[in-house]
Amino acid sequence: QKEVEQNSGPLSVPEGAIASLNCTYSDRGSQSFFWYRQYSGKSPELIMSIYSNGDKEDGRFTAQLNKASQYVSLLIRDSQPSDSATYLCAVPDMEYGNKLVFGAGTILRVKS
Amino acid sequence: DGGITQSPKYLFRKEGQNVTLSCEQNLNHDAMYWYRQDPGQGLRLIYYSQIVNDFQKGDIAEGYSVSREKKESFPLTVTSAQKNPTAFYLCASSLAGGLDEQFFGPGTRLTVL
Repeated sequence: QKEVEQNSGPLSVPEGAIASLNCTYSDRGSQSFFWYRQYSGKSPELIMSIYSNGDKEDGRFTAQLNKASQYVSLLIRDSQPSDSATYLCAVPDMEYGNKLVFGAGTILRVKS
Repeated sequence: DGGITQSPKYLFRKEGQNVTLSCEQNLNHDAMYWYRQDPGQGLRLIYYSQIVNDFQKGDIAEGYSVSREKKESFPLTVTSAQKNPTAFYLCASSLAGGLDEQFFGPGTRLTVL
């Protein structure tokens, strides 16, 4: 069974700070990586996709991928209270290529 | 507007009843998925379908059944064989499965009375 590991948190950061969320995965062959944001009681919303080593920036969000070390991270700059949510990391199962394996998520709390 | 709809938003089931959750998408996606999420837990895959009239079991298929008669629709039936069905059920779709991004519907919260 492929694994995706995340620190459950909660991760607490002050408003305006950088929040750093990490994810490690077990499948060395993984080619794509996704970050979802899930507010309490709501469904997950895709916020970032990354496919190549290095950084990918989208507004206040930066995804960082290191395939050699098998980790992917999400940085949120200028954190806002509205960023408070659970962040899920997802990686395709390359053996059964038609499904994603989700981490359990990291709870982020941004305090004003 | 393109998107995924799920109904009902809330569903209550009595012991021994079968209930069916609806999922419809107008994104022209080939692949559709059903997940279950328990409080404080991650998503677990129940069933998925790559094309019409074909579907595969996920990690926790026991007590559930699906059909895929139309590209747009992927209903999930929670049968009486599912002993602990109270959970948040999420339907998702992707363009062609595999490495593609998945997009989620708003979910159905099922409670057993």
